[in-house]
Amino acid sequence: DTAVSQTPKYLVTQMGNDKSIKCEQNLGHDTMYWYKQDSKKFLKIMFSYNNKELIINETVPNRFSPKSPDKAHLNLHINSLELGDSAVYFCASSRRTGGNPEQYFGPGTRLTVT
Amino acid sequence: TQLLEQSPQFLSIQEGENLTVYCNSSSVFSSLQWYRQEPGEGPVLLVTVVTGGEVKKLKRLTFQFGDARKDSSLHITAAQPGDTGLYLCASSGGYQKVTFGTGTKLQVIP
Repeated sequence: DTAVSQTPKYLVTQMGNDKSIKCEQNLGHDTMYWYKQDSKKFLKIMFSYNNKELIINETVPNRFSPKSPDKAHLNLHINSLELGDSAVYFCASSRRTGGNPEQYFGPGTRLTVT
Repeated sequence: TQLLEQSPQFLSIQEGENLTVYCNSSSVFSSLQWYRQEPGEGPVLLVTVVTGGEVKKLKRLTFQFGDARKDSSLHITAAQPGDTGLYLCASSGGYQKVTFGTGTKLQVIP
């Protein structure tokens, strides 16, 4: 059984398009995250939701909009895609709400903007 | 924002060799985690260290938390090809906000 799943695995699109990435976790966790990993493998948090409520919103262009329809799902919608958005996007979830929580990551979505 | 510097950035060694990876910050860590990420996959948690001076062992991997809780190290004994991957340290700088280190890419050659 997959704990944290993401779709699609690969996404190739042109500049200016709008795309969405979906994430689902079946671990019963309350907190979900979106991370961006650049070409140098640096992993940076973008958003975090706890019980469907946005609790972390890093300095991310407002073209990126997360949406959590329920605790098990956190989707990421990106408008007007730019070349610099090309990266691997990871969804993660955790049970705890404080400290240094153990995070479970999805397999990632490799986004390529041409 | 807490910055976590890892060294070395890249490491290529022969199977059977030992190695150490470092994670340093100018700030004090509340706790620190080590993750391993294999190609095409997401990071997987290896360990969490909480107390200054703490040492944890996971088979051939030994994790140490500095006494002042500003640094940590990961030592691998007799590295194997299965150890190949990206090693990331991570620490929480606030409510649910985890900062990841710059990463160490390890390649173990059979």
